[in-house]
Amino acid sequence: QQPVQSPQAVILREGEDAVINCSSSKALYSVHWYRQKHGEAPVFLMILLKGGEQKGHDKISASFNEKKQQSSLYLTASQLSYSGTYFCGTELYGNKLVFGAGTILRVKS
Amino acid sequence: DAMVIQNPRYQVTQFGKPVTLSCSQTLNHNVMYWYQQKSSQAPKLLFHYYDKDFNNEADTPDNFQSRRPNTSFCFLDIRSPGLGDAAMYLCATTRGAELFFGSGTQLSVL
Repeated sequence: QQPVQSPQAVILREGEDAVINCSSSKALYSVHWYRQKHGEAPVFLMILLKGGEQKGHDKISASFNEKKQQSSLYLTASQLSYSGTYFCGTELYGNKLVFGAGTILRVKS
Repeated sequence: DAMVIQNPRYQVTQFGKPVTLSCSQTLNHNVMYWYQQKSSQAPKLLFHYYDKDFNNEADTPDNFQSRRPNTSFCFLDIRSPGLGDAAMYLCATTRGAELFFGSGTQLSVL
Protein backbone atom coordinates (compact mmCIF):
# COMPACT_ATOMS: atom_id res chain seq x y z
CA GLN A 1 0.00 0.00 0.00
CA GLN A 2 2.93 2.32 0.65
CA PRO A 3 4.00 4.10 -2.56
CA VAL A 4 7.52 3.45 -3.79
CA GLN A 5 9.86 6.40 -4.19
CA SER A 6 13.06 6.59 -6.16
CA PRO A 7 15.85 7.43 -5.85
CA GLN A 8 16.44 7.01 -2.11
CA ALA A 9 18.91 9.88 -2.10
CA VAL A 10 20.38 12.37 -4.51
CA ILE A 11 23.18 14.91 -4.22
CA LEU A 12 23.21 17.93 -6.49
CA ARG A 13 25.21 21.06 -6.99
CA GLU A 14 23.37 24.36 -7.01
CA GLY A 15 21.74 24.95 -10.38
CA GLU A 16 21.40 21.27 -11.29
CA ASP A 17 18.10 19.54 -11.92
CA ALA A 18 16.58 16.47 -10.24
CA VAL A 19 13.62 14.18 -10.68
CA ILE A 20 11.98 12.20 -7.89
CA ASN A 21 9.56 9.43 -8.76
CA CYS A 22 6.63 7.95 -6.88
CA SER A 23 4.66 4.89 -7.96
CA SER A 24 1.79 2.91 -6.53
CA SER A 25 0.35 -0.53 -7.12
CA LYS A 26 -3.14 0.82 -6.40
CA ALA A 27 -5.35 3.17 -8.39
CA LEU A 28 -4.86 6.65 -7.04
CA TYR A 29 -7.24 9.49 -6.36
CA SER A 30 -4.48 12.03 -5.85
CA VAL A 31 -0.79 12.45 -5.13
CA HIS A 32 0.63 14.93 -2.63
CA TRP A 33 4.24 16.10 -2.39
CA TYR A 34 5.83 17.31 0.85
CA ARG A 35 9.30 18.49 1.85
CA GLN A 36 10.66 17.99 5.34
CA LYS A 37 13.74 19.64 6.78
CA HIS A 38 15.60 17.93 9.60
CA GLY A 39 13.74 18.21 12.92
CA GLU A 40 10.79 20.01 11.34
CA ALA A 41 7.31 19.00 10.21
CA PRO A 42 6.61 18.15 6.57
CA VAL A 43 5.53 21.13 4.50
CA PHE A 44 3.03 20.81 1.67
CA LEU A 45 4.36 21.51 -1.84
CA MET A 46 1.52 20.55 -4.15
CA ILE A 47 -1.30 18.14 -4.88
CA LEU A 48 -2.09 16.48 -8.19
CA LEU A 49 -5.53 15.09 -8.88
CA LYS A 50 -6.70 12.48 -11.36
CA GLY A 51 -6.41 13.82 -14.91
CA GLY A 52 -2.67 13.76 -15.59
CA GLU A 53 -2.23 17.43 -14.85
CA GLN A 54 1.10 19.02 -14.28
CA LYS A 55 1.52 21.65 -11.61
CA GLY A 56 4.24 24.11 -10.82
CA HIS A 57 5.44 25.90 -7.75
CA ASP A 58 8.30 28.30 -8.49
CA LYS A 59 10.97 26.01 -10.02
CA ILE A 60 9.40 22.86 -8.62
CA SER A 61 6.78 21.11 -10.71
CA ALA A 62 5.14 17.71 -10.78
CA SER A 63 3.20 15.44 -13.07
CA PHE A 64 0.70 12.65 -12.42
CA ASN A 65 0.18 9.77 -14.81
CA GLU A 66 -3.05 8.25 -13.62
CA LYS A 67 -2.87 5.22 -15.91
CA LYS A 68 0.59 4.27 -14.75
CA GLN A 69 -0.21 5.27 -11.15
CA GLN A 70 2.96 7.31 -11.08
CA SER A 71 3.95 10.83 -10.20
CA SER A 72 7.23 12.67 -10.70
CA LEU A 73 8.54 15.77 -8.95
CA TYR A 74 10.86 17.98 -11.00
CA LEU A 75 13.29 20.36 -9.33
CA THR A 76 15.00 22.70 -11.77
CA ALA A 77 17.97 24.96 -11.12
CA SER A 78 18.17 23.66 -7.56
CA GLN A 79 18.95 25.99 -4.68
CA LEU A 80 20.49 25.26 -1.30
CA SER A 81 17.05 25.75 0.27
CA TYR A 82 15.75 22.73 -1.67
CA SER A 83 17.70 20.37 0.59
CA GLY A 84 15.54 18.09 2.67
CA THR A 85 13.58 14.88 2.46
CA TYR A 86 10.81 14.72 -0.11
CA PHE A 87 7.80 12.53 0.51
CA CYS A 88 5.03 11.65 -1.84
CA GLY A 89 1.70 10.83 -0.27
CA THR A 90 -0.94 8.85 -2.09
CA GLU A 91 -4.61 9.08 -1.35
CA LEU A 92 -6.64 5.95 -1.88
CA TYR A 93 -9.95 7.16 -0.50
CA GLY A 94 -11.22 9.94 1.73
CA ASN A 95 -8.43 12.08 3.09
CA LYS A 96 -6.17 9.31 4.29
CA LEU A 97 -2.64 9.75 2.99
CA VAL A 98 -0.02 7.03 2.90
CA PHE A 99 3.52 8.35 2.55
CA GLY A 100 6.40 6.87 0.61
CA ALA A 101 9.72 6.20 2.34
CA GLY A 102 11.13 9.53 1.20
CA THR A 103 13.95 10.80 -1.01
CA ILE A 104 16.81 12.65 0.65
CA LEU A 105 17.93 15.59 -1.45
CA ARG A 106 21.12 17.43 -0.68
CA VAL A 107 22.14 20.50 -2.64
CA LYS A 108 25.77 21.54 -2.36
CA SER A 109 27.24 24.92 -3.19
CA ASP B 1 -2.86 33.02 11.39
CA ALA B 2 -4.17 29.47 11.09
CA MET B 3 -2.12 27.11 13.21
CA VAL B 4 -1.69 23.60 14.54
CA ILE B 5 0.05 23.75 17.89
CA GLN B 6 1.68 20.78 19.57
CA ASN B 7 2.92 20.69 23.11
CA PRO B 8 5.45 20.00 24.32
CA ARG B 9 8.07 20.28 21.55
CA TYR B 10 10.26 17.74 23.34
CA GLN B 11 9.05 15.13 25.81
CA VAL B 12 11.16 12.70 27.79
CA THR B 13 9.50 9.85 29.61
CA GLN B 14 10.59 6.69 31.32
CA PHE B 15 10.01 3.19 30.07
CA GLY B 16 6.48 2.19 31.06
CA LYS B 17 5.45 5.63 32.39
CA PRO B 18 2.26 6.96 30.73
CA VAL B 19 2.63 10.08 28.66
CA THR B 20 0.17 12.41 26.94
CA LEU B 21 0.89 14.58 23.94
CA SER B 22 -1.43 17.42 23.03
CA CYS B 23 -2.49 19.18 19.86
CA SER B 24 -4.72 22.15 19.17
CA GLN B 25 -5.82 23.73 15.92
CA THR B 26 -7.27 27.12 15.09
CA LEU B 27 -8.66 26.18 11.70
CA ASN B 28 -11.80 24.72 13.27
CA HIS B 29 -11.65 21.73 10.93
CA ASN B 30 -13.41 18.54 11.81
CA VAL B 31 -10.59 16.29 10.59
CA MET B 32 -7.53 15.64 12.74
CA TYR B 33 -4.73 13.11 12.36
CA TRP B 34 -1.95 11.67 14.47
CA TYR B 35 1.15 10.43 12.69
CA GLN B 36 4.19 8.70 14.14
CA GLN B 37 7.52 9.31 12.43
CA LYS B 38 10.58 7.33 13.46
CA SER B 39 14.04 8.45 12.51
CA SER B 40 14.65 8.38 8.74
CA GLN B 41 11.21 6.91 8.06
CA ALA B 42 7.99 8.16 6.54
CA PRO B 43 5.18 9.50 8.74
CA LYS B 44 2.86 6.63 9.64
CA LEU B 45 -0.82 7.25 10.37
CA LEU B 46 -1.93 6.13 13.84
CA PHE B 47 -5.48 7.55 14.06
CA HIS B 48 -7.73 10.05 12.47
CA TYR B 49 -10.92 11.81 13.48
CA TYR B 50 -13.71 13.03 11.32
CA ASP B 51 -15.47 15.23 13.83
CA LYS B 52 -15.96 12.84 16.78
CA ASP B 53 -15.88 9.76 14.58
CA PHE B 54 -12.67 8.00 15.61
CA ASN B 55 -10.73 5.81 13.17
CA ASN B 56 -7.95 3.57 14.38
CA GLU B 57 -5.45 2.18 11.88
CA ALA B 58 -5.38 -1.61 11.95
CA ASP B 59 -1.70 -1.80 12.91
CA THR B 60 -1.76 0.90 15.61
CA PRO B 61 -0.73 -0.77 18.87
CA ASP B 62 -3.29 -0.97 21.69
CA ASN B 63 -0.78 0.95 23.79
CA PHE B 64 -1.78 4.08 21.87
CA GLN B 65 -5.06 5.82 22.60
CA SER B 66 -6.51 9.14 21.55
CA ARG B 67 -9.09 11.59 22.84
CA ARG B 68 -10.77 14.51 21.18
CA PRO B 69 -12.84 16.47 23.70
CA ASN B 70 -13.80 19.16 21.17
CA THR B 71 -13.05 20.33 17.62
CA SER B 72 -9.95 22.27 18.62
CA PHE B 73 -8.12 19.80 20.82
CA CYS B 74 -6.80 16.30 20.40
CA PHE B 75 -4.63 14.15 22.69
CA LEU B 76 -2.41 11.14 22.14
CA ASP B 77 -1.97 8.88 25.16
CA ILE B 78 0.74 6.26 25.30
CA ARG B 79 -0.14 4.01 28.20
CA SER B 80 3.14 2.17 28.65
CA PRO B 81 5.83 3.60 26.40
CA GLY B 82 8.52 1.24 25.20
CA LEU B 83 11.90 2.11 23.73
CA GLY B 84 10.43 1.47 20.27
CA ASP B 85 7.92 4.27 20.76
CA ALA B 86 10.61 6.93 20.63
CA ALA B 87 9.69 9.03 17.62
CA MET B 88 8.38 12.36 16.37
CA TYR B 89 4.61 12.54 16.79
CA LEU B 90 2.88 14.79 14.31
CA CYS B 91 -0.61 16.16 14.56
CA ALA B 92 -2.28 17.44 11.41
CA THR B 93 -5.49 18.80 10.05
CA THR B 94 -6.56 19.76 6.55
CA ARG B 95 -6.28 23.21 5.02
CA GLY B 96 -8.01 22.96 1.67
CA ALA B 97 -6.46 19.98 -0.06
CA GLU B 98 -3.33 20.24 2.06
CA LEU B 99 -2.42 18.18 5.10
CA PHE B 100 -1.24 20.88 7.50
CA PHE B 101 1.09 19.65 10.23
CA GLY B 102 1.99 20.98 13.62
CA SER B 103 5.66 21.26 14.50
CA GLY B 104 5.59 17.87 16.22
CA THR B 105 6.57 16.47 19.60
CA GLN B 106 9.85 14.58 19.76
CA LEU B 107 9.38 11.78 22.30
CA SER B 108 12.34 10.14 23.99
CA VAL B 109 11.91 7.03 26.15
CA LEU B 110 14.62 6.30 28.72
